[in-house]
Amino acid sequence: SQKIEQNSEALNIQEGKTATLTCNYTNYSPAYLQWYRQDPGRGPVFLLLIRENEKEKRKERLKVTFDTTLKQSLFHITASQPADSATYLCALSYNQGGKLIFGQGTELSVKP
Amino acid sequence: DTGVSQNPRHKITKRGQNVTFRCDPISEHNRLYWYRQTLGQGPEFLTYFQNEAQLEKSRLLSDRFSAERPKGSFSTLEIQRTEQGDSAMYLCASSPASPSGVTSGELFFGEGSRLTVL
Repeated sequence: SQKIEQNSEALNIQEGKTATLTCNYTNYSPAYLQWYRQDPGRGPVFLLLIRENEKEKRKERLKVTFDTTLKQSLFHITASQPADSATYLCALSYNQGGKLIFGQGTELSVKP
Repeated sequence: DTGVSQNPRHKITKRGQNVTFRCDPISEHNRLYWYRQTLGQGPEFLTYFQNEAQLEKSRLLSDRFSAERPKGSFSTLEIQRTEQGDSAMYLCASSPASPSGVTSGELFFGEGSRLTVL
């Protein structure tokens, strides 16, 4: 079955630095891959979606890359702020109408 | 508030009791999903509906779990004979989908219903 792996350890960085989170998957490539943010006790909030034929997607301080050869997506937050502290979830779907499968998430902490 | 609404937000029950959660999706969304999340883990897929049709149910879901969406609007998730291992956050999400089932991709989540089984 498909397996998604994110950095299991929490990521601690200094304010202003770039945070880079990793999402690796096994088996065949998904139709698209998404990143969500989740704060404690809240539901996930959608951030970005990237399709299998796209290499990179940007939104404000966020950037996502998708390498189907490495079976990996990288999620970058530039000029990080303490308000960016949260858990970030990677999720993928194998078709445009199917369910999303989530990774376990990576906790990011940005220190002032 | 026009987001996804879930009730109750918190439920504490004794082992063996039945519980029911309700989800009201965004009104124009015909796709509705249920996920379960435990501490330190990502959301785990349970089931999803397109309108009133249940299209897929996780094989991990035991017979004690049942979900309905009778009129294609709100949905309920019932857990019968609860066990301590059922303690988790139950998340509902919705998305728009075409009649052929193509979605925009992103899911809109509610705030979840936290279940504690004593």
